[in-house]
Amino acid sequence: QKEVEQNSGPLSVPEGAIASLNCTYSDRGSQSFFWYRQYSGKSPELIMFIYSNGDKEDGRFTAQLNKASQYVSLLIRDSQPSDSATYLCAVNENTGRRALTFGSGTRLQVQP
Amino acid sequence: DAGITQSPRHKVTETGTPVTLRCHQTENHRYMYWYRQDPGHGLRLIHYSYGVKDTDKGEVSDGYSVSRSKTEDFLLTLESATSSQTSVYFCAISEQGYQETQYFGPGTRLLVL
Repeated sequence: QKEVEQNSGPLSVPEGAIASLNCTYSDRGSQSFFWYRQYSGKSPELIMFIYSNGDKEDGRFTAQLNKASQYVSLLIRDSQPSDSATYLCAVNENTGRRALTFGSGTRLQVQP
Repeated sequence: DAGITQSPRHKVTETGTPVTLRCHQTENHRYMYWYRQDPGHGLRLIHYSYGVKDTDKGEVSDGYSVSRSKTEDFLLTLESATSSQTSVYFCAISEQGYQETQYFGPGTRLLVL
């Protein structure tokens, strides 16, 4: 059973701080990694994807991938109260069926 | 929601009743997925489709069936609803050749009494 693990939180950070969200995965053959944001009562929305080791930046968001250690992280700089949501990590299954395995999510609370 | 609609958005039904949820896309994407989301379990794949009339099971497929007779529509049927199928159901789509990036519909909240 392929697994994607996330700390459920809540992770509480003050407004303006850097929020660091982490995810580990079990399938060493996984190639594609995704971060989704989900507000309460809403559907997941894609924030970023990363395929290569290292960092990928998009505005206030930075995804970091370390395949050797099998972890992927998401940094949110200058955190805003509007960033308060659950963040889902997803990993491709490395099979022929193009499916993703999702972690159960980390709830982030940004305190004004 | 990337041109994805789900219907109904909310439904209350009774145990033993068949229920069909519809996912409709306007993106002409090849791949479509049904997930359920429950507290503490994240998103779990029920069934997916890789083309018209081409479907396969996910991790939690027992008690569910699907059909895809047109590219744009993917139907999920609960053959005889049980209380354990009370959940939020999300449809997702993915474009061929764009890795596995998936985009989600707005979801359907189903309550089985």
